[in-house]
Amino acid sequence: DVKVTQSSRYLVKRTGEKVFLECVQDMDHENMFWYRQDPGLGLRLIYFSYDVKMKEKGDIPEGYSVSREKKERFSLILESASTNQTSMYLCASMVTGSQHFGDGTRLSIL
Amino acid sequence: GESVGLHLPTLSVQEGDNSIINCAYSNSASDYFIWYKQESGKGPQFIIDIRSNMDKRQGQRVTVLLNKTVKHLSLQIAATQPGDSAVYFCAERLTFSDSWGKLQFGAGTQVVVTP
Repeated sequence: DVKVTQSSRYLVKRTGEKVFLECVQDMDHENMFWYRQDPGLGLRLIYFSYDVKMKEKGDIPEGYSVSREKKERFSLILESASTNQTSMYLCASMVTGSQHFGDGTRLSIL
Repeated sequence: GESVGLHLPTLSVQEGDNSIINCAYSNSASDYFIWYKQESGKGPQFIIDIRSNMDKRQGQRVTVLLNKTVKHLSLQIAATQPGDSAVYFCAERLTFSDSWGKLQFGAGTQVVVTP
């Protein structure tokens, strides 16, 4: 089974802080994704990566950046956290068409 | 994709009955579809997928039906159990050969199983 692991289940940070969300997959997949999930808005794609050091913007990249230095690890970075970035963040890894998700990080920005 | 307010559509089902969850997808060029189940506090879990060259696909207690004419997807759950209580949502992808694998997700349906 594909295993996608997000390092934190819950995180509380302050406005203006730089925040790192980490995601690791164990199946040597090339494609990885970061989403945020908000009530009524569903899953929205922030960034994705199709290879090491390669990244593409999704639908809502503003205020975020990503890093993919190793194939198994895809990091989401909030450069200067703001309260409107309080959300559930989900990482996914792609295998033969479908995406498999981690259990999410619920991030609160105070 | 669908657009709903803060409250998801809810399907209330009695334990043991069959459930049918519907999804209207947006793009006629989409040729790959997935159903996900998301339990409270967990990430979405893959249930079943179907390609556009099929009308029906069956898994264990689940069946997905695809009607490309009206751009409609449904998930049927047989003999619904309490553990089936979750949010279910569909996802579509423009082409299976899209190596980037981007998906577009529906907002979801909350399924509540009552005893």
